[in-house]
Amino acid sequence: EVQLVESGGGLVQPGGSLRLSCAASGFTFSTYWMTWVRQAPGKGLEWVANVKGDGSEKYYVDSVKGRFTISRDNAKNSLYLQMNSLRAEDTAVYYCAKNYGDYWSLQHWGQGTLVTVSS
Amino acid sequence: DIQMTQSPSTLSASVGDRVTITCRASQSISVWLAWYQQKPGKAPKLLIYKASSLESGVPSRFTGSGSGTEFTLTISSLQPDDFATYYCQQYNSYSTFGQGTKVEIK
Repeated sequence: EVQLVESGGGLVQPGGSLRLSCAASGFTFSTYWMTWVRQAPGKGLEWVANVKGDGSEKYYVDSVKGRFTISRDNAKNSLYLQMNSLRAEDTAVYYCAKNYGDYWSLQHWGQGTLVTVSS
Repeated sequence: DIQMTQSPSTLSASVGDRVTITCRASQSISVWLAWYQQKPGKAPKLLIYKASSLESGVPSRFTGSGSGTEFTLTISSLQPDDFATYYCQQYNSYSTFGQGTKVEIK
C-alpha cells in the first residue's frame, strides 16, 4: 500500500524558512515523479513543484521560483521542500503526491501539513 | 501559463441526478487532464486521468470526456458519497488546477 506522510509544517514569521519532508513507502520511490501541491485555507489547489525520479528535472510554479527548492533522497525514500523568504500568501496545507508513472497526474496523496506564515 | 476555468462553481443536485462539470483550458492541452474529488479536511482523490481514463477503484458512474480545450466530468447517478468539491488539473504544460466545483445537496 502506498503511503505518503508529510511533516515539518508549523508557524513561521514572514521572511523565515521551513523545510517540509514527505516519507514515502509501498512503492519503488526512485522511479516516480513526485509533486508538492498546496491549498490555502478555504481555497483551491495550487501545483507548487515537482521532481523527476532521479532528481534530474525540477519544475516550479512562478510564484515560488527562487524561494522554494524541491529535492529528494532516494536512499531514504524521502521528498523535501525547502521554503525560504516565506510570505503570508504561502500559508497553506502542503500535500506531497506521487505522480502517475511519467505523467503529471497525481495518483496518491499524503494527508498534508499546515504551514502558517504570520507575525 | 495555461488557465483552467471550471463551471459551475457550485452545483446543487439530488441523489440520483445526472451531473456534469465543465473545465475549459485557455489553450489546447490535448488529453492531458485529470479530475479529482476532495472532501472537507481530506486530501484530493484521483478519479480520471488522461481526460477519460478511469482510475482503478473509482466507480463507473464517473466518466471523463473531451480533448483540446473543453472537458467534462459526468456523474451518471449522484450518490450520497459524491457530495464534494471537484477539481480539474491540466498537465500539458507545467500544471494548473481549476478553481473547483462544489457539488452540494439540493
